[in-house]
Amino acid sequence: GQQVMQIPQYQHVQEGEDFTTYCNSSTTLSNIQWYKQRPGGHPVFLIQLVKSGEVKKQKRLTFQFGEAKKNSSLHITATQTTDVGTYFCAIILTGGGNKLTFGTGTQLKVEL
Amino acid sequence: DGGITQSPKYLFRKEGQNVTLSCEQNLNHDAMYWYRQDPGQGLRLIYYSQIVNDFQKGDIAEGYSVSREKKESFPLTVTSAQKNPTAFYLCASGGLTRPYNEQFFGPGTRLTVL
Repeated sequence: GQQVMQIPQYQHVQEGEDFTTYCNSSTTLSNIQWYKQRPGGHPVFLIQLVKSGEVKKQKRLTFQFGEAKKNSSLHITATQTTDVGTYFCAIILTGGGNKLTFGTGTQLKVEL
Repeated sequence: DGGITQSPKYLFRKEGQNVTLSCEQNLNHDAMYWYRQDPGQGLRLIYYSQIVNDFQKGDIAEGYSVSREKKESFPLTVTSAQKNPTAFYLCASGGLTRPYNEQFFGPGTRLTVL
């Protein structure tokens, strides 16, 4: 079935540095969603991208969907300790039910 | 206060015992989902349901069972047939009214088999 590869698996940054995580697929995607999971917590929906080349911003977070709709990225500018957590991309599978397939996630650690 | 509740938060079980994890939502969502998360890994779909009295297997349904007798409730039973049940179990719900709908997650249940 459809899968998404997510890189990197881990990222350590100093507070104030930028951070980017990438999701890639070998097939064209209809959509992509991004979730954040704080340590010990549950995933929380951040955003959904549907259109080719779409760019959306949420404060310091910038989300992009590739022109070919085969990749997506999440970029955080000037990280803060509140950004710590694991960021997952997810795609909705065909076949109904809004089933999601999740990427393996990127764990972000921010040091002071 | 709308949301999804899961209970218990932590659960310990002896090998060979069945255990049922609770999931309740008051968001009036049609669809509900169960995921399993292992340390340092992503989420894998166990079962999902789009409507009362109907549900479908996900990617890793073996050793699990579910029921959907009410729209608000979607309990998961981890049976003794599940070979490696220790994991973090997450329940989610979502609408089906748009082509693509986000999912809302409960706080999760951490199951440990002793």
